[in-house]
Amino acid sequence: SQQGEEDPQALSIQEGENATMNCSYKTSINNLQWYRQNSGRGLVHLILIRSNEREKHSGRLRVTLDTSKKSSSLLITASRAADTASYFCATALARTGFQKLVFGTGTRLLVSP
Amino acid sequence: NAGVTQTPKFQVLKTGQSMTLQCAQDMNHNSMYWYRQDPGMGLRLIYYSASEGTTDKGEVPNGYNVSRLNKREFSLRLESAAPSQTSVYFCASSERPRSSYEQYFGPGTRLTVT
Repeated sequence: SQQGEEDPQALSIQEGENATMNCSYKTSINNLQWYRQNSGRGLVHLILIRSNEREKHSGRLRVTLDTSKKSSSLLITASRAADTASYFCATALARTGFQKLVFGTGTRLLVSP
Repeated sequence: NAGVTQTPKFQVLKTGQSMTLQCAQDMNHNSMYWYRQDPGMGLRLIYYSASEGTTDKGEVPNGYNVSRLNKREFSLRLESAAPSQTSVYFCASSERPRSSYEQYFGPGTRLTVT
């Protein structure tokens, strides 16, 4: 099964509301990243949180990481219609040498005007 | 500055046909990657090139070959396409092969094998 699994699979909210999506993983990580994918487009990097960090902010994004529970959450505050996209977490395993990213299956977010 | 470009955008192949997906980046990145994206599976790494002159297998390399033509270009070849290779293919690049460097993705190639 996937190293990273997002929850929920789909989320539908109104503009102005907050959106929270979660990611769980199985093995020790070096860092965890969140990416956004608009329909029919490539992925865009949003934010990276290292294993020794607990919380990170970037604009309207807030990411938390709980390594004891092997989970992370992405909060988008004051959502806009333009936030409609799929969001993926990607984990980088704690290892030396090449560190591949393992992507989860994503959360589809729909923000209605 | 176009970032990561991929050609073609769409392709339909018959089983057994071959084709090459092209990828180029203009960010002077050392590392390049090929992923496939299937519904409900997330992105899976097919091959990567940590630096010019090197290539290595990823998670799902069977049925594919790659060439790192130069620092800018990294191509993916399907020698004998199979329906199981129907997918969306993404090329990505990063400054270094370490995970602390974000990856930049191309727009993808949607491939259908009939």
